[in-house]
Amino acid sequence: GQNIDQPTEMTATEGAIVQINCTYQTSGFNGLFWYQQHAGEAPTFLSYNVLDGLEEKGRFSSFLSRSKGYSYLLLKELQMKDSASYLCAVRSGNTPLVFGKGTRLSVIA
Amino acid sequence: GAGVSQSPRYKVAKRGQDVALRCDPISGHVSLFWYQQALGQGPEFLTYFQNEAQLDKSGLPSDRFFAERPEGSVSTLKIQRTQQEDSAVYLCASSLAGTGTGNTIYFGEGSWLTVV
Repeated sequence: GQNIDQPTEMTATEGAIVQINCTYQTSGFNGLFWYQQHAGEAPTFLSYNVLDGLEEKGRFSSFLSRSKGYSYLLLKELQMKDSASYLCAVRSGNTPLVFGKGTRLSVIA
Repeated sequence: GAGVSQSPRYKVAKRGQDVALRCDPISGHVSLFWYQQALGQGPEFLTYFQNEAQLDKSGLPSDRFFAERPEGSVSTLKIQRTQQEDSAVYLCASSLAGTGTGNTIYFGEGSWLTVV
């Protein structure tokens, strides 16, 4: 199975940049997803990486290194509304997504 | 529909009661997934359907949990003789195709189950 590790909590200041790391161990890697989940709400899709490198989407970017089993989500120009949990999820072969425990991000003024 | 719809949104059950949770996926989505999310944790996979076929039920925690999708659209997750440890959010998700490369899954808002 997969082993997915991400920090439990992070705090960052409004307007700053924060990087949320995710490491994983899996066989048959077939893609890594990041989801955002506000308290009491559904997880919403943020980004997808299957090849090495950086994918940029507005204020959010996601990076993948398959050889290192490592990804990060970069959030720029932080806003208070970015306070949420960020879930890293890995697909192995054609199996359903396996999620990490999530990183709870608090953005403070 | 526009998104994945789940009902009930909130359910309080007495220990030992049976509950049924409904999921209506995005129209045209072939694949449907059920996940269980405990407070402060990530979603844990329960089961997966492609059309009406249940292709993977390896995540169901016990034989008290049962899921069906008889016509390949709406799905029901049934929990028999609920226990306190079943208290969690049950998330349903759907995707246009299967579990292959790039298929993004879209979540409903979940059914919050509290067993007292």
